[in-house]
Amino acid sequence: SSELTQDPAVSVALGQTVRITCQGDSLRSYYASWYQQKPGQAPVLVIYGKNNRPSGIPDRFSGSSSGNTASLTITGAQAEDEADYYCNSRDSSGNHPGVVFGGGTKLTVL
Amino acid sequence: EVQLVESGGGLVQPGGSLRLSCAASGFTFSSYWMHWVRQAPGKGLVWVSRINSDGSSTSYADSVKGRFTISRDNAKNTLYLQMNSLRAEDTAVYYCARDLIAAAGDFDYWGQGTLVTVSS
Repeated sequence: SSELTQDPAVSVALGQTVRITCQGDSLRSYYASWYQQKPGQAPVLVIYGKNNRPSGIPDRFSGSSSGNTASLTITGAQAEDEADYYCNSRDSSGNHPGVVFGGGTKLTVL
Repeated sequence: EVQLVESGGGLVQPGGSLRLSCAASGFTFSSYWMHWVRQAPGKGLVWVSRINSDGSSTSYADSVKGRFTISRDNAKNTLYLQMNSLRAEDTAVYYCARDLIAAAGDFDYWGQGTLVTVSS
């Protein structure tokens, strides 16, 4: 099966811009989705497809992709953005396609 | 309002079985692919299994293949995960999630999760 690699931890100063990356071979064929998870809560979808935000997600969240790397950018990070962030993508390896998640990135807002 | 409510978690001995349920409401359940995702305590998200909208196609992570079975009852708007031969490493919160676009892996709604603990 495929793998997606994320940096374990990233920090950003309040109001600054931060980029969280996700690398993997599946990203050459499929877009990544991005999820925000706060302690004790279920994950929340923040970006999907080329660069789509579900209703209610602030426009400071954006996504991009190049080659085998997908990125989630938070422009003007807020204190409430401190959370774990996970990427995933479709995994077409094997006979029956599934999904693969990255290991997650813990974002600290300083 | 879309809702996904998991149930069926609990404490089970190694080698035991458990069936999780995920009751869906607020959308046309039979139109969506559905998934199970788990998260061990303090760890990351791990995809477990998926089923297509009519239940005719399923897929599993290698770690659960042959032990877990995903199914759905569209008449009851319910997703299931039958877990057999449980191991300590299956201990996790299990989430059901809706796939926004079939097979894309864009999980736009998640349940609150149900905790499965495998221990003697």
